[in-house]
Amino acid sequence: RKEVEQDPGPFNVPEGATVAFNCTYSNSASQSFFWYRQDCRKEPKLLMSVYSSGNEDGRFTAQLNRASQYISLLIRDSKLSDSATYLCVVLFTGNQFYFGTGTSLTVIP
Amino acid sequence: DTAVSQTPKYLVTQMGNDKSIKCEQNLGHDTMYWYKQDSKKFLKIMFSYNNKELIINETVPNRFSPKSPDKAHLNLHINSLELGDSAVYFCASRGLTNTGELFFGEGSRLTVL
Repeated sequence: RKEVEQDPGPFNVPEGATVAFNCTYSNSASQSFFWYRQDCRKEPKLLMSVYSSGNEDGRFTAQLNRASQYISLLIRDSKLSDSATYLCVVLFTGNQFYFGTGTSLTVIP
Repeated sequence: DTAVSQTPKYLVTQMGNDKSIKCEQNLGHDTMYWYKQDSKKFLKIMFSYNNKELIINETVPNRFSPKSPDKAHLNLHINSLELGDSAVYFCASRGLTNTGELFFGEGSRLTVL
């Protein structure tokens, strides 16, 4: 079993739609949680950290449920530029970052 | 100025050869990583160094040997290359802030023929 599991998609949504991605992690001792974005043939970049109380950054909302070991990302009012792969990332102990397989999103005009 | 830089960006080589990929970061970070991203796009951690000391060594064949001459550099040497080594190798360094953000290089695309 992988340490971090995501639905790989692909998700194909029209512009303006709301889309949600989910992620589960296996280690209950995990410390920190993140969503990264990876464009085609590029390196991953931090989209946002995920805090226990949930947090929002513009059109993006991240939620964490430690009891269920579950993380989510909600994107509202999708833009064409949101098309990318979204990676769920968990920091287990110290310096060990584990990545999910990523969820592919394509926003269609 | 590129924060995390890797060379070469592309590498095409024959099975059995030995090759190296270099990584440098100018962010002043103490911790650096090598990740492998295979054809299925899964990013798997390989190694991590903190201030020149190996702290993470996942199940990676002995043919892979990391070297950190100083905390700004983390190189990866691969002996006796195999077809299955074909992948994109990403170097990353870890930020010191509470977010613990990872800063990635642009990746080195290795193709073994």
